[in-house]
Amino acid sequence: QVQLQQSGAELMKPGASVKISCKATGYSFSSYWIEWVKQRPGHGLEWIGEILPGSDNANYNEKFKGKATFTADKSSNTAYMHLSSLTSEDSAVYYCARGAWFAFWGQGTLVTVSA
Amino acid sequence: DILLTQSPAILSVSPGERVSFSCRASQNIGTSIHWYQQRTNGSPRLLIKFASESISGIPSRFSGSGSGTDFTLSVNSVESEDIADYYCQQNYSWPYTFGGGTKLEIK
Repeated sequence: QVQLQQSGAELMKPGASVKISCKATGYSFSSYWIEWVKQRPGHGLEWIGEILPGSDNANYNEKFKGKATFTADKSSNTAYMHLSSLTSEDSAVYYCARGAWFAFWGQGTLVTVSA
Repeated sequence: DILLTQSPAILSVSPGERVSFSCRASQNIGTSIHWYQQRTNGSPRLLIKFASESISGIPSRFSGSGSGTDFTLSVNSVESEDIADYYCQQNYSWPYTFGGGTKLEIK
């Protein structure tokens, strides 16, 4: 069965960077886009962007350009999102999901940015 | 960016009632709308894709309709396990966007 397993919660200092992982199992990793979504209390769901592991093509929400960078490792079926120059506004739960209609979701990774 | 407006913000219904969630797009998006359920402390779950297409494993009481700019998610005979937030999402054009959500409460 399709599963997306994300890395654990992170507590980061302002200005630091963090890399979140999303390991895919149960399907052909290279064949589907991996989507990344941000959720903060009171702010709903925001699409950060997507990457196609087979080609490394990526599309970013303009709002997150310069903040988020996507990579994918086909040897381990794992997608990554790197978030740079963290501020309190980056404190959120981040999800990975499969495909442009988000058929499958990871369990979410909580990132807390605090001095 | 395509704005998705969901209404109302909160719906309160009794078990067994039928409920409808509304999602309005700021421009014509055909049927490129998808619906998700998110229970407390859980990940979103796909309920309906492309406005009205059912998803394997989702109870048949969930259905979707609409095209263009107005879309509806309906739940026949609401159950207590349906307590959740419901979101619509468009993938008609980048950036993909989500509606602000509707919270379903059970009386």
